[in-house]
Amino acid sequence: GAVVSQHPSRVICKSGTSVKIECRSLDFQATTMFWYRQFPKKSLMLMATSNEGSKATYEQGVEKDKFLINHASLTLSTLTVTSAHPEDSSFYICSASSTGTSGISGYEQYFGPGTRLTVT
Amino acid sequence: DAKTTQPPSMDCAEGRAANLPCNHSTISGNEYVYWYRQIHSQGPQYIIHGLKNNETNEMASLIITEDRKSSTLILPHATLRDTAVYYCIVSFNDYKLSFGAGTTVTVRA
Repeated sequence: GAVVSQHPSRVICKSGTSVKIECRSLDFQATTMFWYRQFPKKSLMLMATSNEGSKATYEQGVEKDKFLINHASLTLSTLTVTSAHPEDSSFYICSASSTGTSGISGYEQYFGPGTRLTVT
Repeated sequence: DAKTTQPPSMDCAEGRAANLPCNHSTISGNEYVYWYRQIHSQGPQYIIHGLKNNETNEMASLIITEDRKSSTLILPHATLRDTAVYYCIVSFNDYKLSFGAGTTVTVRA
C-alpha cells in the first residue's frame, strides 16, 4: 500500500511554455500533498503544501504565480510550471500523507518517483 | 523544526549491520525522529520513525538515546540495494519535513 505516482517521469519543454506534473495517491486518500524540488547533488527543498480543496501554502521564496498547485481531489494534485525557463530545470517530487484513514498512520509521507524537467 | 547533524558519508560491507548516527540536540519534547532514504534519481522512501522508545520494522531499527539528543538507524544486514542517501529529520508530525544533506551510504560487496 501507500503508493504515489507521478506523471510524466521526464519532460523536456521549450522556454516560455508551461508544464503540468500530476501526482496521484493510488491506494489511499491523501489529505495533504507536498511538492519538493531537488537540484543535482542537493537535498530536497519543500516548495509548497496543499490540502484537498484548499489553496496551497507556499514556502518563502517560491513564486505562487509561477508554480501553480491544484489539489482538486483526495488522490490528485497537480503542479504547473508556468512560462518555464532553463533555471526551472530540476527534479520535482511530490509526497502525500493522510490523517490516519485508509491504513495510513498519518505520521509519514509517501513520495512519488519524481519528474525530471528540462527546459531548453 | 530542530536541526540534525549527520556524517556526510559512510561505507559498509554487504551483509554487515550499518549503524547510521544522527545528532539532534535541540529536539523538542513532542518532536519525532524520522528516517528517510533516497536512492539515486528516485523519490525518498520512508524507513522508520520514533518518539522516545526504540522502534523496529521490516526495514530497520531505530535506537533513540534516553535524553533524545541523538539516535542511530540500524540496517541489520546491508545489501547493495541499500546504497542511498539517508536523511534523519525531526518534526512534530509528518508536516514540513526539512531535509538536510543526509548521509551517503555506500554498501560494498
